[in-house]
Amino acid sequence: GDSVTQMEGPVTLSEEAFLTINCTYTATGYPSLFWYVQYPGEGLQLLLKATKADDKGSNKGFEATYRKETTSFHLEKGSVQVSDSAVYFCALSSTSGGYQKVTFGIGTKLQVIP
Amino acid sequence: NAGVTQTPKFQVLKTGQSMTLQCAQDMNHNSMYWYRQDPGMGLRLIYYSASEGTTDKGEVPNGYNVSRLNKREFSLRLESAAPSQTSVYFCASSLRTGGSLNTEAFFGQGTRLTVV
Repeated sequence: GDSVTQMEGPVTLSEEAFLTINCTYTATGYPSLFWYVQYPGEGLQLLLKATKADDKGSNKGFEATYRKETTSFHLEKGSVQVSDSAVYFCALSSTSGGYQKVTFGIGTKLQVIP
Repeated sequence: NAGVTQTPKFQVLKTGQSMTLQCAQDMNHNSMYWYRQDPGMGLRLIYYSASEGTTDKGEVPNGYNVSRLNKREFSLRLESAAPSQTSVYFCASSLRTGGSLNTEAFFGQGTRLTVV
């Protein structure tokens, strides 16, 4: 079945540091890939997405590129802020038998310190 | 713009009690989902509904039942709560399109359930 692998963390960075959170996936067919962010006490919000190979999703300074050859969708940001502290989930969405199914990684907790 | 609304936000149950978590979306989405979130486990799919009138088991369906009442509403029922069901529950919905293009899921705020 489909699966998503990402590090659990926590990842602790100083403000303005470079961020990379790795994400690899296993899926049949051609899934869409997503990064969601969850702030404390809230639900998940879509951060960015990519729907086909070599697409780059970007939002709020975050970027991720859909790499089919390495089955990866790593999240990057050049300069993190304290307000970026949250849990980040990598996810894929696939269609099987006409049904759409979304599979999530375990989430990576990011702590940014001033 | 309400999006996905879940009720209640918090609930404490005694072992063996039953309850229903309610979820409604106002985005005219086809697909709806129930997930549970546990530390170190990420989000695990309990049940999903690809369209009105259909439901399917996800990764962890045991101990739960669901009803897709209409296109807007998708409820999750615990018939006899157990401590292992202590978790945060999220409802989500998505607009399923044809072919292989899949849209993102929109989430509710979550229900924090404790079973004692």
